Amino acid sequence: EIVLTQSPGTLSLSPGERATLSCRASQSISSTYFAWYQQKPGQAPRLLIYGASSRATGIPDRFSGSGSGTDFTLTIARLEPEDFAVYFCQQYGGSPYTFGQGTKLEIK
Amino acid sequence: EVQLVESGGGLIQPGGSLRLSCTASGFSVRNNYINWVRQAPGKGLEWISVIYSGGGGSTYYADSVKGRFAISRDDSTNTLFLQMNSLRAEDTAMYYCAREKTSDGFDIWGQGTMVTVSS
Repeated sequence: EIVLTQSPGTLSLSPGERATLSCRASQSISSTYFAWYQQKPGQAPRLLIYGASSRATGIPDRFSGSGSGTDFTLTIARLEPEDFAVYFCQQYGGSPYTFGQGTKLEIK
Repeated sequence: EVQLVESGGGLIQPGGSLRLSCTASGFSVRNNYINWVRQAPGKGLEWISVIYSGGGGSTYYADSVKGRFAISRDDSTNTLFLQMNSLRAEDTAMYYCAREKTSDGFDIWGQGTMVTVSS
């Protein structure tokens, strides 16, 4: 099983700042099958990034993804109030699919 | 509108069984990979099962549910099912179904249905 480890566990920033979230895999994975999700309290997760760097439909361009192999990054260029949420990375290249444990992005 | 709607959750005693449903609209479950993902209260996301597209519909499971849970679908009603047997307290979670667009991630999620396993 591929283990995904996200860091930091909690990130405290202010609106307008830049956020950098990391996800490290326990072994090299295909970037084709790597995604990021956003989840707000009481809501289902929402797909942000797929294929490591492609934005999903309707996702603002302040969200960007990068990385390959074992190290992946989600960057939010300028935080908006609605961006404060929990973010999960995921690999879905083969069973079992796995998620990272999440990074909580909170308002400083 | 493209959407997924789960149902069937509730309170169940340890050792009991429950069947969750996930009804799709706006697309065909037969032509898509559909997954079940759960989230225990205050915890992260755990993938538990997928059924592939097509007539064969290969299925895969997380080790935590293998042998206890079974995923299936009814193409005539465009509905996916998760049969859950031998339920344990640690199965308590919100259960989501999600469409997987092959290499494009889990793009459509239902609102979830809560399962509580407790005596």
